[in-house]
Amino acid sequence: QKEVEQDPGPLSVPEGAIVSLNCTYSNSAFQYFMWYRQYSRKGPELLMYTYSSGNKEDGRFTAQVDKSSKYISLFIRDSQPSDSATYLCAMDPNAGGTSYGKLTFGQGTILTVHP
Amino acid sequence: DAGVIQSPRHEVTEMGQEVTLRCKPISGHDYLFWYRQTMMRGLELLIYFNNNVPIDDSGMPEDRFSAKMPNASFSTLKIQPSEPRDSAVYFCASSLSIVGRRYTFGSGTRLTVV
Repeated sequence: QKEVEQDPGPLSVPEGAIVSLNCTYSNSAFQYFMWYRQYSRKGPELLMYTYSSGNKEDGRFTAQVDKSSKYISLFIRDSQPSDSATYLCAMDPNAGGTSYGKLTFGQGTILTVHP
Repeated sequence: DAGVIQSPRHEVTEMGQEVTLRCKPISGHDYLFWYRQTMMRGLELLIYFNNNVPIDDSGMPEDRFSAKMPNASFSTLKIQPSEPRDSAVYFCASSLSIVGRRYTFGSGTRLTVV
């Protein structure tokens, strides 16, 4: 079993829809949770960054972390064609030494928002 | 800031040849990571450096792979000899320790070994 599971999709939605992207994980040591967005032929870019459980909102994007269920989500409101990309979740234990900053990524979900 | 700069953007080489990928991290960043991305395995961490020192190379697939960071502004990932199964997109990322996990990725090098 992979440490981080993410449905690869693809997911196709109409413009204006609410999009829900999810990841589950098995390592209870994970404390930092991130979402990266990757456009075609580009490197991933950090979209959202949260520590421990709870919600974080940034414009049309909301990240949720439920550590009791080992489940994280990214919601995109009023989705736009420019949101079409691959979305990767990433996690990190709050640990030092050789584990410091060592992210574990999900497979990524391919999202297409059509006009 | 120009961001993390990788070269070349594309590399096509024949099996058995040596391949060198290059990375210039963001100035002032003290962590540098090399990742490989494939459809089957996603993003895999190969090796990372802190203040130019290799910290964890447990992700390097085999002895054919080697990485160096001779100074704070330059790193290389070398594959010798290359094999078709090495075909992937190789990403370099850097971060600043005080913000830990907020990586900035380069645009990647798409390697094809034929």
